[in-house]
Amino acid sequence: AQSVAQPEDQVNVAEGNPLTVKCTYSVSGNPYLFWYVQYPNRGLQFLLKYITGDNLVKGSYGFEAEFNKSQTSFHLKKPSALVSDSALYFCAVRDLDNYGQNFVFGPGTRLSVLP
Amino acid sequence: DGGITQSPKYLFRKEGQNVTLSCEQNLNHDAMYWYRQDPGQGLRLIYYSQIVNDFQKGDIAEGYSVSREKKESFPLTVTSAQKNPTAFYLCASRRETNTGELFFGEGSRLTVL
Repeated sequence: AQSVAQPEDQVNVAEGNPLTVKCTYSVSGNPYLFWYVQYPNRGLQFLLKYITGDNLVKGSYGFEAEFNKSQTSFHLKKPSALVSDSALYFCAVRDLDNYGQNFVFGPGTRLSVLP
Repeated sequence: DGGITQSPKYLFRKEGQNVTLSCEQNLNHDAMYWYRQDPGQGLRLIYYSQIVNDFQKGDIAEGYSVSREKKESFPLTVTSAQKNPTAFYLCASRRETNTGELFFGEGSRLTVL
């Protein structure tokens, strides 16, 4: 079965500092990995995805993520955080090798960027 | 602009009543999904549909029903059999490709009084 873990419920970072939001996954086949962001009482917005190829994926709003197959991780990063980045972040995985139609989501990590 | 429209945004319901949440998309996507979001639990799949007139149960389908009569529409009915229906409900759609990501609506918040 597929699963996603986001080990930190909350991440606090000062504006201008780099940020990392962690994600680890478990699938039996090759993973397709996604990051989404959610602002209060809104839907989820797609940030980036890893399908294959380069392990460093660049996405929207200056975010990037690094795929590490040996550590089964897909951490979200940004070189310089903005106060407006404060939101709830979800990692998700889809296991294509098992013809999965579902996306399994992690529990979310709340990012607070302090001015 | 293309997107997914969910309505209503907020809904209050008395116990024992059924309620239907609307989801409409104009993205020409084949696949549509309903997720439930509770605090600290991420998103859980209720139902999904890959094609008109066909849908599959997700992990928490009990107490819910759906229909897919048109490609653009995927309404969700929360029945009185759902024991804890108060939640934030999210509809999503996806192009039917292996690499396609989900596109989400703005959500519907259901509160049972």
